[in-house]
Amino acid sequence: NAGVTQTPKFRVLKTGQSMTLLCAQDMNHEYMYWYRQDPGMGLRLIHYSVGEGTTAKGEVPDGYNVSRLKKQNFLLGLESAAPSQTSVYFCASSSARGWTSGTAQYFGPGTRLTVL
Amino acid sequence: GQQLNQSPQSMFIQEGEDVSMNCTSSSIFNTWLWYKQDPGEGPVLLIALYKAGELTSNGRLTAQFGITRKDSFLNISASIPSDVGIYFCAGPPLTQGGSEKLVFGKGTKLTVNP
Repeated sequence: NAGVTQTPKFRVLKTGQSMTLLCAQDMNHEYMYWYRQDPGMGLRLIHYSVGEGTTAKGEVPDGYNVSRLKKQNFLLGLESAAPSQTSVYFCASSSARGWTSGTAQYFGPGTRLTVL
Repeated sequence: GQQLNQSPQSMFIQEGEDVSMNCTSSSIFNTWLWYKQDPGEGPVLLIALYKAGELTSNGRLTAQFGITRKDSFLNISASIPSDVGIYFCAGPPLTQGGSEKLVFGKGTKLTVNP
């Protein structure tokens, strides 16, 4: 049981390049999330999904796209990377049974992205 | 949007000391989550609280869900060097209209001197 995994761990892009970050979870969770973490800003929600085939915007969605074709996977895409997207990206997942005992968001190890 | 205010922002303590940090909000929460993030890693869930007044322990860690539902506290007893990291509080505010998203505090950075 690996929990939440993220690929890759590190990536360096040039401005204008595109890339996709992959998140996978093996906990059969309905909800999945993408966050970015910047110094002094805490965790900010980019996009999230409440189920296969559905996505929604979070707090800072501009410049990112997402897809949830399979329940266990959530992809984050950058179509044209900008230096402002240099950050650490975290994926998380949680169950959909409401906030009862045992419910929480579980995080992956992160992807450190640098855009030159 | 709703915000969680964590204090203190940072703490520098000696090994063996007890630590206390808190999280407050102007909105009501029905769940409080406490996470720890080690350098270069993702946040790891430490303690989850689901009822007002609830007091829950996890080893040397104890967290409480405030009676007003607008605050929560995390205490660490007899700190050790591996307690170093950033501690985050989080919760889904009732005013949000949906239960799937969390609001996070900005974290308390803990440094433990051996």
